[in-house]
Amino acid sequence: EVQLVESGGGLVQPGGSLRLSCTASGFTFSTYWMTFIRQAPGKGLEWVANIRQDGDEKWYVDSVQGRFTISRDNAKNLVFLQMNSLRAEDTAVYYCARVANRYFDSWGQGTLVTVSS
Amino acid sequence: DIQMTQSPSSVSASVGDRVTITCRASQGVSNWLAWFQQKPGKAPQLLIYAISRLQSGVPSRFSGSGSETDFTLTISGLQPEDFATYYCQQTDSFPPTFGGGTKLEIK
Repeated sequence: EVQLVESGGGLVQPGGSLRLSCTASGFTFSTYWMTFIRQAPGKGLEWVANIRQDGDEKWYVDSVQGRFTISRDNAKNLVFLQMNSLRAEDTAVYYCARVANRYFDSWGQGTLVTVSS
Repeated sequence: DIQMTQSPSSVSASVGDRVTITCRASQGVSNWLAWFQQKPGKAPQLLIYAISRLQSGVPSRFSGSGSETDFTLTISGLQPEDFATYYCQQTDSFPPTFGGGTKLEIK
């Protein structure tokens, strides 16, 4: 069974940093693109970043480009989202998901990031 | 970016009803169109991909149709567990974008 478990969320002040982790199990992690999606409280879904199987290709939504970095450790079945220079508008539940043929077919339960002073 | 517009934003229906949700893309997305279901406090779940292909385990009362810019999600014979929010998503071009969501409520 595919399982994705996010961790690392919490309360952080504007301008601060946070690193999210996503632990994958139940599939061959190194053969899939992985992605992060976020959902602000009471709002819709927004794609944030993607990373290729080998970690050498990464894509970001414009609003986080230069502030967020996605990475992965295939030996430990982990994907990370390093978030720097956080803003109030980054407040959201962050989900990691597996990408299967461009479709986000399995999602974690999400971790809440709150940016507030 | 491709804009995805869903309608209606909310709909009320009864158990057993047939409901249709529409999604319009600002430009053609070929067959790179998916539908997700999200229940309160839970992660979205993939229902349909490639316009009309049911994800494993999804009941056959869910169906998808459409092409290029206009798509529909139909639920035939609503069940109590179907009351949720539904999102469409295109993955034809970067960035992948979602519709604003349609909240399906019990009448």
